[in-house]
Amino acid sequence: GNSVTQMEGPVTLSEEAFLTINCTYTATGYPSLFWYVQYPGEGLQLLLKATKADDKGSNKGFEATYRKETTSFHLEKGSVQVSDSAVYFCAHTGGSYIPTFGRGTSLIVHP
Amino acid sequence: GAGVSQSPSNKVTEKGKDVELRCDPISGHTALYWYRQRLGQGLEFLIYFQGNSAPDKSGLPSDRFSAERTGESVSTLTIQRTQQEDSAVYLCASSLASDIAGTQYFGPGTRLLVL
Repeated sequence: GNSVTQMEGPVTLSEEAFLTINCTYTATGYPSLFWYVQYPGEGLQLLLKATKADDKGSNKGFEATYRKETTSFHLEKGSVQVSDSAVYFCAHTGGSYIPTFGRGTSLIVHP
Repeated sequence: GAGVSQSPSNKVTEKGKDVELRCDPISGHTALYWYRQRLGQGLEFLIYFQGNSAPDKSGLPSDRFSAERTGESVSTLTIQRTQQEDSAVYLCASSLASDIAGTQYFGPGTRLLVL
């Protein structure tokens, strides 16, 4: 079946550190892959997406590459800021019109 | 342009009361989803509407939950005889039918607290 597995949080980093949040998925067909971000007290908003293998999504310094061979879509940022503190959700739309979301990974960035 | 809006933003109710939550999708978005997010948890799919097709209600947790949508406009999620375990944030999202990727646009959510 369809699933998304994310690394458990919280991930705690100092400002300017390198960030990786791992995400792997199982899906039928050729899914589109997403990272959504949820800031405290708000709804989710799209951070980036990739629609086919080897595509790289990027936004606000965040990047993720669609790796079909490893069924992964890891989120990276070279230098995090305090304002990046949020919950990050990996998701895909593959095989169903109902998206499959991961459980979310909380990121806490200290000054 | 306007995003997805939800109302009320917060709702406190007593156990056993009915509540109605409202979602206004982005204009032109034919697909609409409701999710439940318990504190510190991921998203739990509740119901999906696509245009005038029959909704997918497979995620509704009990018959106390129901939702309606008129055409491609506003949707309401109703919870009857609320229980304390219904306390959560209820998120609405919409998407364009022409977006094959299925990008979702979320509202800010309604925070429901059942006392």
